[in-house]
Amino acid sequence: DVKVTQSSRYLVKRTGEKVFLECVQDMDHENMFWYRQDPGLGLRLIYFSYDVKMKEKGDIPEGYSVSREKKERFSLILESASTNQTSMYLCASRHPQGNYVFGPGTRLTVL
Amino acid sequence: AQKITQTQPGMFVQEKEAVTLDCTYDTSDQSYGLFWYKQPSSGEMIFLIYQGSYDEQNATEGRYSLNFQKARKSANLVISASQLGDSAMYFCAMRLYTGTASKLTFGTGTRL
Repeated sequence: DVKVTQSSRYLVKRTGEKVFLECVQDMDHENMFWYRQDPGLGLRLIYFSYDVKMKEKGDIPEGYSVSREKKERFSLILESASTNQTSMYLCASRHPQGNYVFGPGTRLTVL
Repeated sequence: AQKITQTQPGMFVQEKEAVTLDCTYDTSDQSYGLFWYKQPSSGEMIFLIYQGSYDEQNATEGRYSLNFQKARKSANLVISASQLGDSAMYFCAMRLYTGTASKLTFGTGTRL
């Protein structure tokens, strides 16, 4: 069965810290995505990657960067965490036939 | 601008009854895809059903069906014979093709 895993389910960080959220897929998918989910706003696309070392900004990239050094791993980086980045972060990868598979999510709290 | 709208923040349904969750979309693209996902309280996103813009027939998957009305730009989810386990957030999403990849844009969700 296809799988997307995220490094942590829950994370608590302090303002100003550098934060890494890791996402790994075992399906050899080329396309991977990072979303954040906030109540009343749905899921909003932060960044996506269409191949190794290739990335594009989504709708809300400010304050974030990404890294994709290997096909199976897509990392989201908060260079200097702020309280308004407290959110649920969801990683997804896209199956060649079109479906998107999501990871379990990381609930990040920035104090 | 590409947009997905879910106007029902919350819905109630009795067990064994059917319920319709509304979704409208806005795009000028001819080729797009529409998805519905379920998110239980545990947080994972579960794929329910997909409709392509060129598909003539409405998609069905078990108790889920998608009422696709292209001219009205609506893609409502119908859940028949509701069960307790159907209690969750439901998200409608639209896939659009960019030059490099296809992106999913989500609505704000409906809590059933």
